[in-house]
Amino acid sequence: AQKITQTQPGMFVQEKEAVTLDCTYDTSDQSYGLFWYKQPSSGEMIFLIYQGSYDEQNATEGRYSLNFQKARKSANLVISASQLGDSAMYFCAISGGGSNYKLTFGKGTLLTVNP
Amino acid sequence: NAGVTQTPKFQVLKTGQSMTLQCAQDMNHEYMSWYRQDPGMGLRLIHYSVGAGITDQGEVPNGYNVSRSTTEDFPLRLLSAAPSQTSVYFCASSSWGRPYTEAFFGQGTRLTVV
Repeated sequence: AQKITQTQPGMFVQEKEAVTLDCTYDTSDQSYGLFWYKQPSSGEMIFLIYQGSYDEQNATEGRYSLNFQKARKSANLVISASQLGDSAMYFCAISGGGSNYKLTFGKGTLLTVNP
Repeated sequence: NAGVTQTPKFQVLKTGQSMTLQCAQDMNHEYMSWYRQDPGMGLRLIHYSVGAGITDQGEVPNGYNVSRSTTEDFPLRLLSAAPSQTSVYFCASSSWGRPYTEAFFGQGTRLTVV
């Protein structure tokens, strides 16, 4: 079984500052993938970034980067230069061996960006 | 480009009623999944399908049925609705690919069982 733990129910950040959202995981699979999704108040799920278990470099997508520490089983999302539109719920998820049809999600972190 | 379409967007049911949540995708994805989202719980997998005619259970399958007769459609059936099934339901589709492929989500169906 796989498990995702997001220990920060809510986070606050000032506009233009960077913020790190924590995610730790547990899995017995050797090959797995880690995903981050954003859910704004409108409710849709927006894919942000992916990290594969065998990727040697941390993933980056624009202002999003993933701080992947395999030995510590952590995959923290870093958002640089926060914008008001970044205010949303953020979910970390894990899939086994690339099977992205069976995602296990964490409980999420509600990020609020203050002007 | 419609992507993943869920209908209806909102639904109120009485306990014991049955209904089907519809999900259709136009991306020719082989994989489709249903999740439910409850407050403070994140998304949990209900059922999934890896292709037409093939379905399997996820983490919380009780009270739900699925079938996949075509690549495009993956309906979720509630046979006898219970208040515990009040939730937001998301359908997702994806395809196989390396190193990864993105799972696309529908807009969600907010279901209330009274």
